[in-house]
Amino acid sequence: GENVEQHPSTLSVQEGDSAVIKCTYSDSASNYFPWYKQELGKRPQLIIDIRSNVGEKKDQRIAVTLNKTAKHFSLHITETQPEDSAVYFCAASRNTNAGKSTFGDGTTLTVKP
Amino acid sequence: DTAVSQTPKYLVTQMGNDKSIKCEQNLGHDTMYWYKQDSKKFLKIMFSYNNKELIINETVPNRFSPKSPDKAHLNLHINSLELGDSAVYFCASQLAGTSTDTQYFGPGTRLTVL
Repeated sequence: GENVEQHPSTLSVQEGDSAVIKCTYSDSASNYFPWYKQELGKRPQLIIDIRSNVGEKKDQRIAVTLNKTAKHFSLHITETQPEDSAVYFCAASRNTNAGKSTFGDGTTLTVKP
Repeated sequence: DTAVSQTPKYLVTQMGNDKSIKCEQNLGHDTMYWYKQDSKKFLKIMFSYNNKELIINETVPNRFSPKSPDKAHLNLHINSLELGDSAVYFCASQLAGTSTDTQYFGPGTRLTVL
């Protein structure tokens, strides 16, 4: 089955700096890679996703890159703000009926004012 | 117009008791999941149902029994609760079989076993 590794497990940055979280996956058939943000005490929520036919996707201050050959994808947050502090999860799945997403172990991002 | 809802939000109970958590989604999705999030924040899938049928059962003790009376509901019943069952349980739903696999999570149920 799919195995997703996420690094680092914790990340602390100064406000305004960039943050990068990296994930690797094992199943070359995986073709959908979402990122979820979970604020303290809240539910995980999708912030950005990318499909295997695209190498990069941006949405304001966040971007995701995908390298299918190396089987890794990364989340980039620029101009970080204190409200970006949260746990971020990457996931990988195949786009099949009742597809199962395999989640990384999460990265706790702290943005210091 | 909550998309995915769970009840109860908090559940405190004694070891050995039996308890249930309910989940409902009004998104018209075909697939629903139960996840367990432990104190280290790891999100681990437990079960998945597609159109009321069990699709995924991730080596969860048989004290845990999911039930899906219809596509919009997925409940989780836990027998003989143990201390290690303390966690936050998230329900999620997904529109399976389409070009998107976004999962929508419920607010979570924090289970504390004393």
